[in-house]
Amino acid sequence: EPEVTQTPSHQVTQMGQEVILRCVPISNHLYFYWYRQILGQKVEFLVSFYNNEISEKSEIFDDQFSVERPDGSNFTLKIRSTKLEDSAMYFCASSEARQGVEKLFFGSGTQLSVL
Amino acid sequence: GENVEQHPSTLSVQEGDSAVIKCTYSDSASNYFPWYKQELGKRPQLIIDIRSNVGEKKDQRIAVTLNKTAKHFSLHITETQPEDSAVYFCAADTGGFKTIFGAGTRLFVKA
Repeated sequence: EPEVTQTPSHQVTQMGQEVILRCVPISNHLYFYWYRQILGQKVEFLVSFYNNEISEKSEIFDDQFSVERPDGSNFTLKIRSTKLEDSAMYFCASSEARQGVEKLFFGSGTQLSVL
Repeated sequence: GENVEQHPSTLSVQEGDSAVIKCTYSDSASNYFPWYKQELGKRPQLIIDIRSNVGEKKDQRIAVTLNKTAKHFSLHITETQPEDSAVYFCAADTGGFKTIFGAGTRLFVKA
């Protein structure tokens, strides 16, 4: 079965630094997402992306966050100036969504640690 | 916006017993209700989903029920097995491609 792939699996950064998390969604999917999960807590919606623009975003997704689809396969999440509270597992997801909302296929995640 | 409440936070059952996890949602426009299973250190994976035009759906040992009037939906796992042990998340989406997750239920199945 096709999978969403994410790199890196772990990222350690200093507070205030910029990080870019990378994802390759499943090739025929139309919608792309970023979620995050702080250890032991719920999966939190950050942003959804369709047709090269943001469809929805949450209150968490402030001006420090941005997403981009730089080419036909990659989907990136950038955090401009990381804070301690940005430490979490970040999951990319994609869905085919040809007939409305459908199941999300999650990547294996990037564990971000901000020191 | 949508808010999803999930209970219980932890559930411990004996192997072979049934497990029930309940969720409520706030936005009456929500029309898609997926359930995800997350094993320790792994990604969430969809186990079953239901749309608002259906009241019940079953897939082998797993079933989901939806009460749109009460804004309740539930996951039922019958004949539980140790490999069912995981965290289960309910979720709701209004069709706006913003799936909101519940807080999760940690299920322990004791052999």
